[in-house]
Amino acid sequence: EDKVVQSPLSLVVHEGDTVTLNCSYEVTNFRSLLWYKQEKKAPTFLFMLTSSGIEKKSGRLSSILDKKELFSILNITATQTGDSAVYLCAVWGGAQKLVFGQGTRLTINP
Amino acid sequence: GAGVSQSPSNKVTEKGKDVELRCDPISGHTALYWYRQSLGQGLEFLIYFQGNSAPDKSGLPSDRFSAERTGGSVSTLTIQRTQQEDSAVYLCASSLLSSGGPIKQFFGPGTRLTVL
Repeated sequence: EDKVVQSPLSLVVHEGDTVTLNCSYEVTNFRSLLWYKQEKKAPTFLFMLTSSGIEKKSGRLSSILDKKELFSILNITATQTGDSAVYLCAVWGGAQKLVFGQGTRLTINP
Repeated sequence: GAGVSQSPSNKVTEKGKDVELRCDPISGHTALYWYRQSLGQGLEFLIYFQGNSAPDKSGLPSDRFSAERTGGSVSTLTIQRTQQEDSAVYLCASSLLSSGGPIKQFFGPGTRLTVL
């Protein structure tokens, strides 16, 4: 059964800190890994990664995939209170559907 | 609005009643997904429609749950004889689909279902 595990489940830091969120997976026939940010109800798309070792970057957020070790990390530098959200990792694999992790709840305190 | 829309945004019902949740995907998106998110949990896959192919219903938790997609566009998720454990946010998403999987899924705002 395809599985995605995120860590930590919860993280509280101060504004300006850098955070690293982890996502490990076990899926058959890996196709892609996606990161989403969920502030209220609807998750919003951040990144999709398909190739190992190639960093995707958007402003203060960046992500990289390691297909050999079966994990991805999401980095956020110079965090702001607006970064507070649940960050979801999902993998598209042989089951032809996205399998989501439990999410990491990130809280940025001023 | 060019995004995914869902209705109602909130639904409160009594145990044992049937409910229908609606999703309008982004125009032109061939793939449509339903997920359930219980409080503090990740997204649980329910069902997936792709074009005219038979839907993947492997995530439906019981035979009280069903979904249809009419004309390749709007989808309705029906829960019969609701139970308290059905209380959750039900999220719909749509995407284009390439041979390598979804390009990216766009989510609707969800329907918060509360079963009393």
